[in-house]
Amino acid sequence: AQTVTQSQPEMSVQEAETVTLSCTYDTSENNYYLFWYKQPPSRQMILVIRQEAYKQQNATENRFSVNFQKAAKSFSLKISDSQLGDTAMYFCAFTQPWMGGNKLVFGAGTILRVKS
Amino acid sequence: EAQVTQNPRYLITVTGKKLTVTCSQNMNHEYMSWYRQDPGLGLRQIYYSMNVEVTDKGDVPEGYKVSRKEKRNFPLILESPSPNQTSLYFCASSLEGNSNQPQHFGDGTRLSIL
Repeated sequence: AQTVTQSQPEMSVQEAETVTLSCTYDTSENNYYLFWYKQPPSRQMILVIRQEAYKQQNATENRFSVNFQKAAKSFSLKISDSQLGDTAMYFCAFTQPWMGGNKLVFGAGTILRVKS
Repeated sequence: EAQVTQNPRYLITVTGKKLTVTCSQNMNHEYMSWYRQDPGLGLRQIYYSMNVEVTDKGDVPEGYKVSRKEKRNFPLILESPSPNQTSLYFCASSLEGNSNQPQHFGDGTRLSIL
């Protein structure tokens, strides 16, 4: 079964600094997709960034970027120039084609606190 | 505006009293899912549907039922709720096909079973 592990339950960072959230996953498949979701106190699930496993280039979205290491099955999220609005729970998630109605397998989450 | 609408957002009820959480999407998506979120466990899929009248179990289906009579609606039914079903619930929808399609999530339903 596919699993996703986030080993950092909580992290904190000073405003304007950079922080990296870790994620590892386990699958025997070669074709899959990885995502980072942000959940602020409002509880909304907001897609931050996604990565296709067949693409070697790391995805970036403004201040958010990933370090995708396929052989190591690692998918970390880097947030640059952290802002107070980045305070949230962050979930790493995995899916693969035709898996259970596009089922997402989530990690346990990392609470990120940005301090002023 | 494209959205997934869940109701209610909050519900406190008692053991054994049947309840339904509604979910509706306006994007004509084929795929819909229900997830529950628990501390230390992330989100786990309860049930999913790939189209009208096509539903199947996810990873934690015990104690839940679903139906998909119309494409836009996917209600979650707790016939006899128990305290271990106290959780935060999310409905999600996506287009059929490649699973890189982004999931659209509802705003969540906080359910407390006393």
